[in-house]
Amino acid sequence: TQLLEQSPQFLSIQEGENLTVYCNSSSVFSSLQWYRQEPGEGPVLLVTVVTGGEVKKLKRLTFQFGDARKDSSLHITAAQPGDTGLYLCAGDSSNTGKLIFGQGTTLQVKP
Amino acid sequence: EPEVTQTPSHQVTQMGQEVILRCVPISNHLYFYWYRQILGQKVEFLVSFYNNEISEKSEIFDDQFSVERPDGSNFTLKIRSTKLEDSAMYFCASSGQGGNYGYTFGSGTRLTVV
Repeated sequence: TQLLEQSPQFLSIQEGENLTVYCNSSSVFSSLQWYRQEPGEGPVLLVTVVTGGEVKKLKRLTFQFGDARKDSSLHITAAQPGDTGLYLCAGDSSNTGKLIFGQGTTLQVKP
Repeated sequence: EPEVTQTPSHQVTQMGQEVILRCVPISNHLYFYWYRQILGQKVEFLVSFYNNEISEKSEIFDDQFSVERPDGSNFTLKIRSTKLEDSAMYFCASSGQGGNYGYTFGSGTRLTVV
């Protein structure tokens, strides 16, 4: 059974701080995606990483895919209250759409 | 921005009843999916659908579940005889080019079985 473990599960920080969320597995994925989910809504895609070692930036968010395509990280620089939310990583091992989701990281950024 | 639309947003049904959850994927997308999220748990894959047939299904997607694309726009999930444990948020998703390009999820249908 493929699993994706996210850490930490909950993070509360002050505005302006930096943070990193990790997503780890023992399985290899053909792609890994990061989503943000608001309460009562569906996940919204932030980024897809495909190549081992790939780094993608989205404003203050930096996403990295591990060289072996088994892990990923999301780094937020100078967090703002608007970054508050649930962040999910999801891996696709077979490119058939069967995403394996992590349990999520709830981020709270206090002003 | 194109959206995946799901209806209804909330459905309450009696145990043993049939329910149909409806989705309108993004119009030029070719791959369609259903996921569910039980309260407080991970998002779980149910089924993927391409070229009018199921590509892959999980062990959750047993004989009580079926999917259909009855016309060029709708994609439905039917649960034949609902059980209490089917209570969850059900998300439809679509993709234009398959897994490596990400998915667009709908806002979900909250199904409550009583």
